[in-house]
Amino acid sequence: GAGVSQTPSNKVTEKGKYVELRCDPISGHTALYWYRQSLGQGPEFLIYFQGTGAADDSGLPNDRFFAVRPEGSVSTLKIQRTERGDSAVYLCASSPAGSDEQFFGPGTRLTVL
Amino acid sequence: AQSVTQLDSHVSVSEGTPVLLRCNYSSSYSPSLFWYVQHPNKGLQLLLKYTSAATLVKGINGFEAEFKKSETSFHLTKPSAHMSDAAEYFCVVTRTSGTYKYIFGTGTRLKVLA
Repeated sequence: GAGVSQTPSNKVTEKGKYVELRCDPISGHTALYWYRQSLGQGPEFLIYFQGTGAADDSGLPNDRFFAVRPEGSVSTLKIQRTERGDSAVYLCASSPAGSDEQFFGPGTRLTVL
Repeated sequence: AQSVTQLDSHVSVSEGTPVLLRCNYSSSYSPSLFWYVQHPNKGLQLLLKYTSAATLVKGINGFEAEFKKSETSFHLTKPSAHMSDAAEYFCVVTRTSGTYKYIFGTGTRLKVLA
C-alpha cells in the first residue's frame, strides 16, 4: 500500500515568508508526528497528533510554528516569518493506534535564503 | 527524561567484515528501542525494534541488536558488511505507552570499503 507522502519534496523561500508543508499519512493511521532534521543531526520531535488534536506540541521551537490536522488525516505544518535557521528537512511519520512503530515519509527539504 | 547517545559519528569497515554501531540510552521509564537506517535522499527505514519480549532482536538485512539493561546499551551488529549497508544509522528511544515521540541519537554514518 501507499506509504507516508510529503509535499513539496523541496521548498526554497526567502527570509520572512510564510510556508506550508503537507503530510499525507498511511490510511487508517490515527497518530501523526512531525520532526525536524537539521544538517548532520538526528531528527528532533516537533508535534504529535492523535486524531485531530495536538496531543503533544512540546517540540515546537516558538510561536512561528503551527500545525493542524483538521480531519484526522492530512496534516499541514505552517511556519510564519521564516528565518534562515529554519532550514532543515521536515519529516512526517504516522502510526496505527496504540503502536510505538512509526512509518516515515521522505521529508520536505526547506531552504530559507 | 529520555536520551540516546551514539558513540561514533562515523564508522568505516571493509566489505565482508563485521559491523558494530554503538548506542547507549537513558530512560526514566521502561523503554522501547529502535534502529533506523537512512540512505541518501531516502526516508527512514526501520531495521529492528526492542520492546521487552527478547533481549536479542533480529532485524532486516542481517542486522541484530542486543538490549543490555545493566549497561544501558543497544548496540547494532552485522556479521558481514555489504556495500549496500553504507548509510546513516539512528538509534531511537521512546516510551512503551502514552506519547510515543521518538528521541533520536545524532546518527552514525557507516562507510563500507571495497
